[in-house]
Amino acid sequence: QTVVTQEPSLSVSPGGTVTLTCGLSSGSVSSSSYPSWYQQTPGQSPRTLIYTTNTRSSGVPNRFSGSILGNKAALTITGAQADDESDYYCALYVGSAIWMFGGGTRLTVL
Amino acid sequence: QLVESGGGLVQPGGSLRLSCAASGFTVSSNFMSWVRQPPGKGLEWVSKIYNEGSRYYADSVRGRFTVSRDISENTLYLQMNSLRPEDTAVYYCARDQSWSRFGPDWGRGTLVSVAS
Repeated sequence: QTVVTQEPSLSVSPGGTVTLTCGLSSGSVSSSSYPSWYQQTPGQSPRTLIYTTNTRSSGVPNRFSGSILGNKAALTITGAQADDESDYYCALYVGSAIWMFGGGTRLTVL
Repeated sequence: QLVESGGGLVQPGGSLRLSCAASGFTVSSNFMSWVRQPPGKGLEWVSKIYNEGSRYYADSVRGRFTVSRDISENTLYLQMNSLRPEDTAVYYCARDQSWSRFGPDWGRGTLVSVAS
C-alpha cells in the first residue's frame, strides 16, 4: 500500500524560509510523479499553488517555489508571511491512473 | 464557478448523488475531479474524468461510485452507492487545467454524512 508522506507540522519565523517535503513510502518522487501542492486554511476550499513540480498557479506569489530534492518533492516558502499559516498538501500521480494526496503539513508562522 | 450540492445524512448502505454545477466554462471540455476531506482529516482523491470521457477512481470507491456529466446542464455528478461511514466527508469538485493536477478552480464543497 503506497503512502504519500509529509511532515505533520512545521514552523517558521516571519520572513524566514521553510521547506516542506513530499515523499513516497516505497520509491522515489520524480517529475514523472507530477507533484503538485495545495494550500488550505480552516473552513476553506483548497487552493492550487504549484503543479508539475515547479510551475506556480496563476496569482501565486513567487515566494512559493517547487522542486525535487533528493527523492522527494519540495515546496519552499521564502520570506514567510503571517497569512502563509495554513495546511499544505501535496499530490502525486502514482501510476495506473491513480493520484494520491499526502497527509498534509500544518505550517505555523511564529 | 463551481457549486456543489446534494450532500446530506444517509444511512450505511444507502445512496446519494452529488452535483457540481459549473458556470463560465464547459464541463465536458475540461478535466474534472472529485476530492473529499473527512472531518478534521486530509484531502483524498476520489475520481477524475477526462475531457474525452475516460473515468478513473480511487481504490476505496471503485465499484461503488460513478462520475458522470450532463452537457445540457453543464454539471458534473458523483453517484455514490453502498455508502459506508468512512465515506463521511466534505466533497469538493475541481476543474483541472490538465490531467496531472487538481484545480485551480475548486467548489466550496458539500458535506456527506453516513451514519445510522
